[in-house]
Amino acid sequence: GAGVSQSPSNKVTEKGKDVELRCDPISGHTALYWYRQSLGQGLEFLIYFQGNSAPDKSGLPSDRFSAERTGGSVSTLTIQRTQQEDSAVYLCASSLGAVYRDRALGIGAFFGQGTRLTVV
Amino acid sequence: RKEVEQDPGPFNVPEGATVAFNCTYSNSASQSFFWYRQDCRKEPKLLMSVYSSGNEDGRFTAQLNRASQYISLLIRDSKLSDSATYLCVVNPAGGGNKLTFGTGTQLKVEL
Repeated sequence: GAGVSQSPSNKVTEKGKDVELRCDPISGHTALYWYRQSLGQGLEFLIYFQGNSAPDKSGLPSDRFSAERTGGSVSTLTIQRTQQEDSAVYLCASSLGAVYRDRALGIGAFFGQGTRLTVV
Repeated sequence: RKEVEQDPGPFNVPEGATVAFNCTYSNSASQSFFWYRQDCRKEPKLLMSVYSSGNEDGRFTAQLNRASQYISLLIRDSKLSDSATYLCVVNPAGGGNKLTFGTGTQLKVEL
């Protein structure tokens, strides 16, 4: 597709259940990010994938959170045993992943519309 | 110290005013810089990249000061539709291509 696609757009789950969130990045983008944003708060970095490199998992808040990216494209964020504090909008973004200096190409990342997760 | 810091605001300005936001970053070797805009309950969207020599896009001007490690965004002749949260984004050196987001500055343009 033309943009980053996330599914589902909304998810309501019961506390203790596992959830899977999906991100389909822009075709050809090698870098993929997951962030989450609680109501009225800033973006919280979760995990970053770049090509075939080991992902940067430094932002995952607990071992209940995991993510994978199969075939360098689609990514799935899994939250096990969900808690109420996991309620947030989970945003995925992708970028070309190439760093260019100065005026060459300032390529940023493009976001999907997010998955609004509510844990009840 | 946070990697990217912004004044959260809100900045309340009248329509037609000029407003400027600053953002400081901690890694002096950072390579790429961007401003994003986020409307309420929407995803962030890329507003503009920030180049070393400064760059302009219509009413928006972005500048980079490497010596003082800050970037700025100037909005001239502000419109009601400019009301949003503006996010400063940095690609820190050594972080691969990972982008680090500030928490944003909220702008409210009023009649």
